Amino acid sequence: DGGITQSPKYLFRKEGQNVTLSCEQNLNHDAMYWYRQDPGQGLRLIYYSQIVNDFQKGDIAEGYSVSREKKESFPLTVTSAQKNPTAFYLCASRATSGGLGQFFGPGTRLTVL
Amino acid sequence: GIQVEQSPPDLILQEGANSTLRCNFSDSVNNLQWFHQNPWGQLINLFYIPSGTKQNGRLSATTVATERYSLLYISSSQTTDSGVYFCAVVNTGTASKLTFGTGTRLQVTL
Repeated sequence: DGGITQSPKYLFRKEGQNVTLSCEQNLNHDAMYWYRQDPGQGLRLIYYSQIVNDFQKGDIAEGYSVSREKKESFPLTVTSAQKNPTAFYLCASRATSGGLGQFFGPGTRLTVL
Repeated sequence: GIQVEQSPPDLILQEGANSTLRCNFSDSVNNLQWFHQNPWGQLINLFYIPSGTKQNGRLSATTVATERYSLLYISSSQTTDSGVYFCAVVNTGTASKLTFGTGTRLQVTL
């Protein structure tokens, strides 16, 4: 079954702890993206990667880190430096040819207590 | 950066009614997508439509890139159409980074 998976669906952490969100795709897409969504808002880009072992900061990268060691995987770490980490996090991927746009995973709701 | 505005921000329809959602953007784009976010937060692709018109069942979309707007038409609305509709664009020359509008929240009632 092809698609994008994110885990966990819900995540609770104490303030000051780093946490890593998983994103995996089996669509053979080259590009992957991480977005953050706050209540009642649109999505904002955190980081993106167009190829393995390369990634770029998006609009709100401060307090986050990523890695892209495998084509299928693009984990996001929310560090203790992120001032307001409680949010809904969505991962997306895109084929670099074919022109179909970005496809999204189901998301992870992170709550920092 | 590019600005994306959606209207109306909120819309309540009776089941069976038709509606038009609008997306205006402030600069040239080489990609535009419409999404439906369901109550569980899943973003569902509706259309990839940088220009022209596409139809998929009761939904259709038109983008007029030269005039910097796109329209999403929903006909014979159903309660399952409820949720938030987002327009997102890729500004020309920005490495396929999507910029999202703030969405139109649609509620379809019986």
